[in-house]
Amino acid sequence: DTGVSQDPRHKITKRGQNVTFRCDPISEHNRLYWYRQTLGQGPEFLTYFQNEAQLEKSRLLSDRFSAERPKGSFSTLEIQRTEQGDSAMYLCASSLDYSNQPQHFGDGTRLSIL
Amino acid sequence: KQEVTQIPAALSVPEGENLVLNCSFTDSAIYNLQWFRQDPGKGLTSLLLIQSSQREQTSGRLNASLDKSSGRSTLYIAASQPGDSATYLCPTGGGADGLTFGKGTHLIIQP
Repeated sequence: DTGVSQDPRHKITKRGQNVTFRCDPISEHNRLYWYRQTLGQGPEFLTYFQNEAQLEKSRLLSDRFSAERPKGSFSTLEIQRTEQGDSAMYLCASSLDYSNQPQHFGDGTRLSIL
Repeated sequence: KQEVTQIPAALSVPEGENLVLNCSFTDSAIYNLQWFRQDPGKGLTSLLLIQSSQREQTSGRLNASLDKSSGRSTLYIAASQPGDSATYLCPTGGGADGLTFGKGTHLIIQP
């Protein structure tokens, strides 16, 4: 069990640029979640994958956001035309395929928009 | 819609004290409740998971209780240490809608 891995740890970019983050879940975990956390707040749910299927999206996930999980393994979260308000920590979590199972989080990707 | 509230929002105490962190939630139809700690700039570290059918879980100096009927959970930290300084979170959920978090309790243990 190597844990949930996220890359990069930090990303600094100019407003209007596109960014992509990667998450590698724990290998046997079917469920994968993305969350966003702004300063002083708890994480907020963005989207959920069960294997390769994206089954739920929060209204926070605007049209500029897209997430994929090809082959049900790693996942990517892309933000197009970044805005100042996108500055946040983006967290990925994974769990086994039961709703009562614990979620395991990665260390997150901190995005700063200049 | 589930809402999670944590009290106090911040707490600063001398080393060695026993502490109680409180968590309340509005929807008692939960699968489980998970207590996490978050160090500055880091991800979330799972501390304890209480299933909806359980009342209590213990790990070392930590003890968490769950009362679904009243929508409350408490995290008890015994003999606090400076290394316990962190933000503590108690989300519920875990299905397709993910976890619902409050703002957490920011804990500082003074040496």
